[in-house]
Amino acid sequence: EVQLVESGGGLVQPGGSLRLSCSVSGFTFNNYDMHWVRQAPGKGLQYVSAITNMGRSTYYIDSVKGRFTISRDNSKNTLYLQMSSLRAEDTAVYYCVRYDILSGYVYWGQGTLVTVSS
Amino acid sequence: EIVLTQSPGTLSLSPGERATLSCRASQSLSSSYLAWYQQKRGQSPRLLIYGVSTRATGIPDRFSGSGSGTDFTLTISGLDPEDFAVYYCQFYGSSPRTFGQGTKVEI
Repeated sequence: EVQLVESGGGLVQPGGSLRLSCSVSGFTFNNYDMHWVRQAPGKGLQYVSAITNMGRSTYYIDSVKGRFTISRDNSKNTLYLQMSSLRAEDTAVYYCVRYDILSGYVYWGQGTLVTVSS
Repeated sequence: EIVLTQSPGTLSLSPGERATLSCRASQSLSSSYLAWYQQKRGQSPRLLIYGVSTRATGIPDRFSGSGSGTDFTLTISGLDPEDFAVYYCQFYGSSPRTFGQGTKVEI
């Protein structure tokens, strides 16, 4: 059974940092690109960042570029999102998703809530 | 960057009725990388349709997807009470893999 389990969310002050983790099981992690998608309270889904299967290439949306870093440790079957210089508008549930080239996002984690507030 | 615009924002229907949700792209999607997701309150999204019209595993056949170019449609033929949720379309072919803003289907 495929499982994606996020952790690391919480309350952080503006300007602070947080690292999210996504531990996966049930599939060969290094065969898949992985993405982060977020959802602000009461809002829609927003694609945030992506990393290729071996970690050689990454992508960020403009609003997080230079502040967020996506990475992965294929030996630990874990995806990360290092977030710094956090802003109130980064407040959201962050989902880890497995990217399937033909079918998109079949598997989602349960999400972890990040709240940026003083 | 492809922008996806969904309409209507909210669809008010009764169980058993047919729901037609629209997703319009800002430019033609030359590939078929268009997906639809369902999200219920407090849950992670669930993939319904990929490749414009292919149902994901376990999705009932009352859900169907169609379209090409810039105009895409998700149809739910005969709403079940469990279908009242928010639906998102997404272009997943290349970065940024943008989502539409969502359509809420309510009773």
